[in-house]
Amino acid sequence: SQTIHQWPATLVQPVGSPLSLECTVEGTSNPNLYWYRQAAGRGLQLLFYSVGIGQISSEVPQNLSASRPQDRQFILSSKKLLLSDSGFYLCAWTRGINQETQYFGPGTRLLVL
Amino acid sequence: LAKTTQPISMDSYEGQEVNITCSHNNIATNDYITWYQQFPSQGPRFIIQGYKTKVTNEVASLFIPADRKSSTLSLPRVSLSDTAVYYCLVPRRTGFQKLVFGTGTRLLVSP
Repeated sequence: SQTIHQWPATLVQPVGSPLSLECTVEGTSNPNLYWYRQAAGRGLQLLFYSVGIGQISSEVPQNLSASRPQDRQFILSSKKLLLSDSGFYLCAWTRGINQETQYFGPGTRLLVL
Repeated sequence: LAKTTQPISMDSYEGQEVNITCSHNNIATNDYITWYQQFPSQGPRFIIQGYKTKVTNEVASLFIPADRKSSTLSLPRVSLSDTAVYYCLVPRRTGFQKLVFGTGTRLLVSP
């Protein structure tokens, strides 16, 4: 069966510090991968998606970046965090063929102070 | 991706049946109707999907009229643990796509 991991689960960072969140998927190959952010009480905002290694598409301009160094690894980064980067970050994947169902990771709660 | 509209919130009591309706007037022939459930501090979880008529699984039922311009998620005999946000999406059947999750419907089940 497939599983998706995210770490860390929670993170408190000062403004201006760097960020690296990691997402890995097990039990499948060539997944489409997604990064979302969810503010408190709000819907999910799609940040990045990737259809393959090294292929990243950005949905919104921001100080975040994403990378996919391996087939089942997706990394969300920032060089300098802003207060507005606080939120709940979710990684998700879909199968290459049957894409109408997304599978989400447990999420990382980020608080920037 | 077809736009969806659903109520912002709903209240219910334990043991009642809850029906959440979603409208998707511009749904395309190739679109599915999919519902997700999200608990606080967790990622959304797929609960049910359908194309037309009725679909039932161990969690919920999904009713889709013939014109497919709306759908109703039915939760039988809800419990406190069904308190969550429910999202309605209409993804295409094939091809890469970006799913857009709106604010969903916040269901509160009280004792």
